[in-house]
Amino acid sequence: NAGVMQNPRHLVRRRGQEARLRCSPMKGHSHVYWYRQLPEEGLKFMVYLQKENIIDESGMPKERFSAEFPKEGPSILRIQQVVRGDSAAYFCASSSGQGALNEQYFGPGTRLTVT
Amino acid sequence: GESVGLHLPTLSVQEGDNSIINCAYSNSASDYFIWYKQESGKGPQFIIDIRSNMDKRQGQRVTVLLNKTVKHLSLQIAATQPGDSAVYFCAENPLTGGGNKLTFGTGTQLKVEL
Repeated sequence: NAGVMQNPRHLVRRRGQEARLRCSPMKGHSHVYWYRQLPEEGLKFMVYLQKENIIDESGMPKERFSAEFPKEGPSILRIQQVVRGDSAAYFCASSSGQGALNEQYFGPGTRLTVT
Repeated sequence: GESVGLHLPTLSVQEGDNSIINCAYSNSASDYFIWYKQESGKGPQFIIDIRSNMDKRQGQRVTVLLNKTVKHLSLQIAATQPGDSAVYFCAENPLTGGGNKLTFGTGTQLKVEL
């Protein structure tokens, strides 16, 4: 039973390029969350999506960042015109959306380096 | 804004000793808390959780204590092993009020010495 999968695991981009991070949730999960982690810090919530819907994007920067979770395929976190400050580890989590506690399971993360 | 934070950035313990990792939270309306373990290069791994209507919950070698009066959370690890070396985060999930986003603390690095 595969867990949450993220790819690529490492991504290097030059300033101004675009970064696309992919997340495949656990089988049976329809809720996806993206978090960002800077070195020596905790994870910061970015966005919460269900299939074809953005539920909460209160943690997303207003510009250059977007996320989607299409009906088919993985969730995509897209960063346009990357800057050095975007360098971080980006984690995806998924949940079933059922039950009061709705535990989130995390993927291994994508480490983005902007040069 | 509301935040969840940890008291100690690094904790060193001898193998076999018990470890206690502390966490303070500021949102008095928080009703669900989770402890995660993060090993180097990996994503957070769920350890144990507790709801605000409880003050203690035990798992395998781990115990979480919640003191709502002082808004304090702790994780106790019994008979600490080298495999326990990692960064530990407490996180808050406001179940009420909608949404399902986790608010993480800064993290405590646990180092187990042989």
